[in-house]
Amino acid sequence: SQTIHQWPATLVQPVGSPLSLECTVEGTSNPNLYWYRQAAGRGLQLLFYSVGIGQISSEVPQNLSASRPQDRQFILSSKKLLLSDSGFYLCAWQNTGGNEQFFGPGTRLTVL
Amino acid sequence: GENVEQHPSTLSVQEGDSAVIKCTYSDSASNYFPWYKQELGKRPQLIIDIRSNVGEKKDQRIAVTLNKTAKHFSLHITETQPEDSAVYFCAALFSGSARQLTFGSGTQLTVLP
Repeated sequence: SQTIHQWPATLVQPVGSPLSLECTVEGTSNPNLYWYRQAAGRGLQLLFYSVGIGQISSEVPQNLSASRPQDRQFILSSKKLLLSDSGFYLCAWQNTGGNEQFFGPGTRLTVL
Repeated sequence: GENVEQHPSTLSVQEGDSAVIKCTYSDSASNYFPWYKQELGKRPQLIIDIRSNVGEKKDQRIAVTLNKTAKHFSLHITETQPEDSAVYFCAALFSGSARQLTFGSGTQLTVLP
């Protein structure tokens, strides 16, 4: 069966510091991968999606970037964090050609 | 652009009563409509979904109905229990690349004991 992992689970970073969040999926090949952000008490904002290695599409222009160095690995990065980057970051996967999306456990980021 | 409207934003019901959450969508080509439940501090979990070729789907105490003509779909929870308390999100899959979901803004459901 498929599983999705995210780490770290929680992170506290100062403003201006770099960021790297990792997401990996097991048990499937060539999945569509997504990064979402959820501010406290708010909805889900799609940040990036990827349909394959090295293929990244951005939904919201900002100081974040994403990379997909391997088929089942998706990374979210920033060179300099802003206070407004605080939130709950969720990775999701979807089988190619499928409909259902399944979320990882999330990373709770606090920027101070 | 694609849009999903969700109502109400908050809903309180007595234990044992029914709860209904409604969503409307903008793209008539949408053909897949999932519902997610998110408990406090946890990830959203897919609880039920419906495809455009059916009008209703049930799974124990939860059901989803779809009206493609009116472009709206609803989540129905019967015999609510305190553990049903959570934020519920509807979503629609719009035609386009990567089969992206567009989410509604969420409904905070509170089931009062």
